[in-house]
Amino acid sequence: KNEVEQSPQNLTAQEGEFITINCSYSVGISALHWLQQHPGGGIVSLFMLSSGKKKHGRLIATINIQEKHSSLHITASHPRDSAVYICAVDSSGGSNYKLTFGKGTLLTVNP
Amino acid sequence: DAGVTQSPTHLIKTRGQQVTLRCSPKSGHDTVSWYQQALGQGPQFIFQYYEEEERQRGNFPDRFSGHQFPNYSSELNVNALLLGDSALYLCASSWQGYEQYFGPGTRLTVT
Repeated sequence: KNEVEQSPQNLTAQEGEFITINCSYSVGISALHWLQQHPGGGIVSLFMLSSGKKKHGRLIATINIQEKHSSLHITASHPRDSAVYICAVDSSGGSNYKLTFGKGTLLTVNP
Repeated sequence: DAGVTQSPTHLIKTRGQQVTLRCSPKSGHDTVSWYQQALGQGPQFIFQYYEEEERQRGNFPDRFSGHQFPNYSSELNVNALLLGDSALYLCASSWQGYEQYFGPGTRLTVT
């Protein structure tokens, strides 16, 4: 079993829909990252969080440390949000020595 | 600020050959991590360099080696290439291991 599990693996939505991507992990962590990867490879860091909730524009990330679960929400989705969204956890004690990644969720937003 | 840069963008090598990939960190960053991302998978941690030394290593054979230079840039070397080494190689930089910023990656194809 992977240390980091994401669901769903694939998600197709219509423009304007509210999107939720989930991440569950099995190890103790000091931080969790949500990353975005577009076709061609480049990865962009969206959020790093260790508790509570963060918001940036239409993106919201929440984490429940007790339940070992995090969610990434996208409000009013747009075709340009189409990408792979990856959850990664830092279980190295807070120094980001080593991130463990989920396999990613492929999001396609249709116009 | 140019962010994290990697070179080359794409590379094709033959089995048994050796390859060197390069990474320049974001300005102000002193730590470089390397990841391998096979097609359809999340990235896997290879190793991290700080103060010109390998600080942490993932589950990769000794064929994978690296170096960090005094200007914090880094190289990833892979010897005796195998077909299974075909992947996207990602570099991420950070300041002393905190929040990582990813480069665009180098796509390596081994034939």
